[in-house]
Amino acid sequence: NAGVTQTPKFQVLKTGQSMTLQCAQDMNHEYMSWYRQDPGMGLRLIHYSVGAGITDQGEVPNGYNVSRSTTEDFPLRLLSAAPSQTSVYFCASRKDQNTEAFFGQGTRLTVV
Amino acid sequence: GQQVMQIPQYQHVQEGEDFTTYCNSSTTLSNIQWYKQRPGGHPVFLIQLVKSGEVKKQKRLTFQFGEAKKNSSLHITATQTTDVGTYFCAVTSGTYKYIFGTGTRLKVLA
Repeated sequence: NAGVTQTPKFQVLKTGQSMTLQCAQDMNHEYMSWYRQDPGMGLRLIHYSVGAGITDQGEVPNGYNVSRSTTEDFPLRLLSAAPSQTSVYFCASRKDQNTEAFFGQGTRLTVV
Repeated sequence: GQQVMQIPQYQHVQEGEDFTTYCNSSTTLSNIQWYKQRPGGHPVFLIQLVKSGEVKKQKRLTFQFGEAKKNSSLHITATQTTDVGTYFCAVTSGTYKYIFGTGTRLKVLA
């Protein structure tokens, strides 16, 4: 059982570069979310999706884009990386709004 | 918008002491969930509370949902080194947003 798979696990970017963080789940969950985790800030919601073709902004969406072309995949795109985007990124999926979330292993991103 | 605060932010306890973390919401909640994140790991679901005043236990962990459904607590009796980590509460904001509290980082000193 793979659950939620995130790639890569680690990434170093230069300021201004773009990249895509990948997230895939094999549980046929409709709800998927991206969070960033910074010391003392908890997990902050970046973007979320309630099904293929449907996405919406979370608490801290600026500088990030998402799309949801399939139920399984929910990639997060950084358009022009900035040092403020240095963080640990987690993808999570849920069956519906009242069930537990399953998290990927996280991507540790450093922007220099 | 929805705000979820957790206190304390950090807690150091001697092994065997009790520990409690509190989660407070600015609005009435439909339910609340608790997660544990081990150092270097990802959050893992512990439990969900739905009913006003609900109390649930998992071995040494006791979870409580407030009568007004605006706050919740997690209490650990006789902490062990395996309890080390960060404990988060999570709530549904609006219809679909799923947001987390700021977390309480627990250190257990052997």
